[in-house]
Amino acid sequence: GDSVTQMEGPVTLSEEAFLTINCTYTATGYPSLFWYVQYPGEGLQLLLKATKADDKGSNKGFEATYRKETTSFHLEKGSVQVSDSAVYFCAGSARQLTFGSGTQLTVLP
Amino acid sequence: NAGVTQTPKFQVLKTGQSMTLQCAQDMNHNSMYWYRQDPGMGLRLIYYSASEGTTDKGEVPNGYNVSRLNKREFSLRLESAAPSQTSVYFCASSEGPVRNQPQHFGDGTRLSIL
Repeated sequence: GDSVTQMEGPVTLSEEAFLTINCTYTATGYPSLFWYVQYPGEGLQLLLKATKADDKGSNKGFEATYRKETTSFHLEKGSVQVSDSAVYFCAGSARQLTFGSGTQLTVLP
Repeated sequence: NAGVTQTPKFQVLKTGQSMTLQCAQDMNHNSMYWYRQDPGMGLRLIYYSASEGTTDKGEVPNGYNVSRLNKREFSLRLESAAPSQTSVYFCASSEGPVRNQPQHFGDGTRLSIL
């Protein structure tokens, strides 16, 4: 079946550091790929998405590019802020939405 | 903007009790979903409703039932709660079931079963 493999956390960074969270997806066909963010006590919010190969999703300084060869969708941000502290989920949608296990990010001032 | 509203936010049950989790969306979305979130496992799909009048099983449907009451509302019922059903439950909706449409989530129901 479909699966999403996401970099395990927790990840702790200092403010203004560079962030990468790896994600790869295994499925029949070419799914749409998403990054969701979950702040404490809240539901998931869509951060960005890409629907086909070479698409780049971007939002709030975060970026991810859909790499067809590896079905990867790594999340990056050049300079993280304390307010970016949250849990990040990679997800893929071939038939239904399949989630990775989540990566807890803590950014220290 | 309400979006997706879930009630209750917290609930404690005893083993064997029943309860219904309520979900309503005000975005005129056709598709609705129920997930459970457990530590280290991401979200797993319990049931979904692609459109009003239809429901289908997801990855982990055992022990649950659902009702798509109308286009806005999609409820999840635990008939005889078990400790293994202790989890955080999320309802979500999307414009349709097509693969590139993002889902919008409620804030969750935190359910503990003793």
